[in-house]
Amino acid sequence: SSELTQDPVVSVALGQTVRITCQGDSLRSCYASWYQQKPGQAPVLVMYAKTNRPSGIPDRFSGSSSGNTASLTITGAQAEDEADYYCKCRDSSGNNWVFGGGTKVTVL
Amino acid sequence: QVQLVQSGAEMKKPGASVKVSCKASGYTFTSHYMHWVRQAPGQGLEWMGLINPSGGATLYSQKFQGRITMTRDTSTSTDYMELSSLRSEDTAVYYCARDNSIVGADGSGWWFDPWGQGTPVTVSS
Repeated sequence: SSELTQDPVVSVALGQTVRITCQGDSLRSCYASWYQQKPGQAPVLVMYAKTNRPSGIPDRFSGSSSGNTASLTITGAQAEDEADYYCKCRDSSGNNWVFGGGTKVTVL
Repeated sequence: QVQLVQSGAEMKKPGASVKVSCKASGYTFTSHYMHWVRQAPGQGLEWMGLINPSGGATLYSQKFQGRITMTRDTSTSTDYMELSSLRSEDTAVYYCARDNSIVGADGSGWWFDPWGQGTPVTVSS
């Protein structure tokens, strides 16, 4: 399957922890990457190769992966973390890169 | 620093073509594939294809086969994405994004970083 499935909407209280998940068969052999997108802006890489955080990304962001599920966790969510988050992987054919449908994170 | 700068907004009529440019700087242009991704209003991200700037080989999403052409100019470190036979559903922001990759013991990973600022394309009669 070439699909990556994400929950459309997730809410988190300020300072609490939220986990965003991404499911798909291709994740068993493809290291997911995650992108944050705020309104009117280009996506920004926040996690790559499952668990690696780019320089400049706060350490409250962490990644993990098990089986067909990849996760992005925000520990101690801040107001500025409110955004859409997309996972991405290469599909099993190797001929396409696929994005999840995106998760809108609301910080309450 | 590594930077991708795209061309400006475009307005096109149905049936026309649009060509978007993406100028790279801060790294060796031929060392990284370039991807193109689009985002329709209120929608998610959609992968369109990639080009290998070293040699020009391309790989397109089947959805755009026959309508899309990606090219590059190594003398100016610029990639181009041309989409033809435009229809209203092609109204979107088009992004270029640099490829990065890794091969591990239990799989492989590809990530897009950085991204261009995006080029809005509006298709309307």
